[in-house]
This record gives sequence, structure tokens and C-alpha cells, in this order.
Amino acid sequence: QKEVEQNSGPLSVPEGAIASLNCTYSDRGSQSFFWYRQYSGKSPELIMSIYSNGDKEDGRFTAQLNKASQYVSLLIRDSQPSDSATYLCAAFNAGNMLTFGGGTRLMVKP
Amino acid sequence: SAVISQKPSRDICQRGTSLTIQCQVDSQVTMMFWYRQQPGQSLTLIATANQGSEATYESGFVIDKFPISRPNLTFSTLTVSNMSPEDSSIYLCSARQYTNEKLFFGSGTQLSVL
Repeated sequence: QKEVEQNSGPLSVPEGAIASLNCTYSDRGSQSFFWYRQYSGKSPELIMSIYSNGDKEDGRFTAQLNKASQYVSLLIRDSQPSDSATYLCAAFNAGNMLTFGGGTRLMVKP
Repeated sequence: SAVISQKPSRDICQRGTSLTIQCQVDSQVTMMFWYRQQPGQSLTLIATANQGSEATYESGFVIDKFPISRPNLTFSTLTVSNMSPEDSSIYLCSARQYTNEKLFFGSGTQLSVL
């Protein structure tokens, strides 16, 4: 079983809609979680971090964490074609190493 | 956020040769890492670059194939040795800042082995 799981997609949403990206993790000891955006041919770019249960908002992005369910999500409001990318979820494991999920490809259609 | 410079950005190499990738961070960081990303795949950690000592390798990666150096807090190199076409991949340097746990990436090295 992978430590961090994501649906590979593609997730297709129309422009202006809310995109919802989900991630589950297996290590109950994980305390810190991150979302990265990766455009094709580029390196990952950190867009959100979350450490506590609940929601954390930053502009059009909202990260949600539920440690009891071992679930992390990223909501992108008012999705734009420029949001089309692969989104990587990452969690620190018990060994204090960052483990990445396989990524979800998001496609925002004009 | 830390600015990480990585070079070369891409290279095409012959089978059996070696390539050294350099990574320079603009500020002091706690840890530096090397990742590999094969086409269409997620990131796989190769090793943690330790300052002044041998790197810590993940399962499936060995020092003879991927020697790593980190002579100071802000600089590291990864060498891909005796390359084969299976080594064709993107190699990414990353660093974690002192002030938080956030991990930042260099721009990557796209390696093609013929």
C-alpha cells in the first residue's frame, strides 16, 4: 500500500467551477501536509501547506485536513485554464521524510 | 522561499558515461534531497545529502551509481554514473528551510541517455 494515495485523474472541470482534489495517507503519525502544483516539463511548486485539522484558505485555494479520516483535500475555486496541471499531495512520515502521492492531473476546460 | 539553482537543465548523454548535476541554494537550509521523476510518474526520493558525510540512500539506490556530495550547507552534487537508457529521467534537487518544514525544488535536470 502506498503511503500517500491520489486518484491519477484526469479530473476535468469547466472554467469557473470548483476543482476538488483528494488525498489519503496511511501514516497516522503524519503531522504536516503539502500540496504542490507541477506544470508539464516543470518542477513542483509549493502552493499550500496545512498542519491542523480544518480548512486553510489562500486566495482561490483551500486546503482541508481531517486527521481522524487521514484525508487531505485541495479546493480550487473559480478554476482557470492556467490551473491545468498535476497536483501532488505530500506528507511527512514517521521518519520525517516527505512522501509524495502519485499526483492528480487537473484539466480546466474553457 | 529558498531559491534553488540547478544545472545543467538538460543533457543528452551516451551510454556508459557519467553526468554530474549541481545544486546551489541561496540560503542556509537544514536538509537537501535528490529526487528522480520518470515520465508520467511521481517523485521518488534517491537520497538525502548530508553535509560533510555520506549521503543516506533510499531503497533501490546505491552510492556507486549515484554518488552525492554536500561540502557545505548550500551546495550539493549528484552524479549519475555508468549511465544506461533506464536512467533517462528528470532529476530534481530540493531543500528544506531552517524556519519551517517546507520543501522547495530546483528547476530540474532532464537527462536523456542514448
